[in-house]
Amino acid sequence: GQNIDQPTEMTATEGAIVQINCTYQTSGFNGLFWYQQHAGEAPTFLSYNVLDGLEEKGRFSSFLSRSKGYSYLLLKELQMKDSASYLCAVVVPGGYKLIFGSGTRLLVRP
Amino acid sequence: DTGVSQDPRHKITKRGQNVTFRCDPISEHNRLYWYRQTLGQGPEFLTYFQNEAQLEKSRLLSDRFSAERPKGSFSTLEIQRTEQGDSAMYLCASSMTGTDTDTQYFGPGTRLTVL
Repeated sequence: GQNIDQPTEMTATEGAIVQINCTYQTSGFNGLFWYQQHAGEAPTFLSYNVLDGLEEKGRFSSFLSRSKGYSYLLLKELQMKDSASYLCAVVVPGGYKLIFGSGTRLLVRP
Repeated sequence: DTGVSQDPRHKITKRGQNVTFRCDPISEHNRLYWYRQTLGQGPEFLTYFQNEAQLEKSRLLSDRFSAERPKGSFSTLEIQRTEQGDSAMYLCASSMTGTDTDTQYFGPGTRLTVL
């Protein structure tokens, strides 16, 4: 089966840094996506990793270790608008569907 | 680029009724996906099309569900004889082959409530 694990909830302070972890056990690996989803809205694309290492995009960075089946999303200089769910999703060989974790709900406090 | 659009945004129906949702992908995208999301969970894959061909269907897609993409542009998802367990957000996404990432871009979703 396919298994993707993320913490259910995290809380952080405005201006701080937070790291959201994702571990996966899947039948193959063709890439990992991070999406942000505000309540009642569509997921929006944040980042994509297919090779090991860190991808940086402004305040957001994403890291991948394929040998460990592990990724994290790093959010810097947190803002109140970053309060949302963060979804980790893996693409497995043989298709193009995304297999999502349950998401991590991040609450940013003043 | 107008993004992925879905219609309706909300649908309330009684158990046993049929419902149909529409998705219009980003215009140049040739892949179109349907997902279902319940509260507190990540989206679950239902089916996807490449142009007009339906290439994969999840086991979640029972015989009561059918999806079409007749001209390789917009798609419809129909649920027959709705059940309360069908209540969920139905998300559509589209992507373009030939890009490095084949990133899927999501529409705003249709929230279905079955009474």
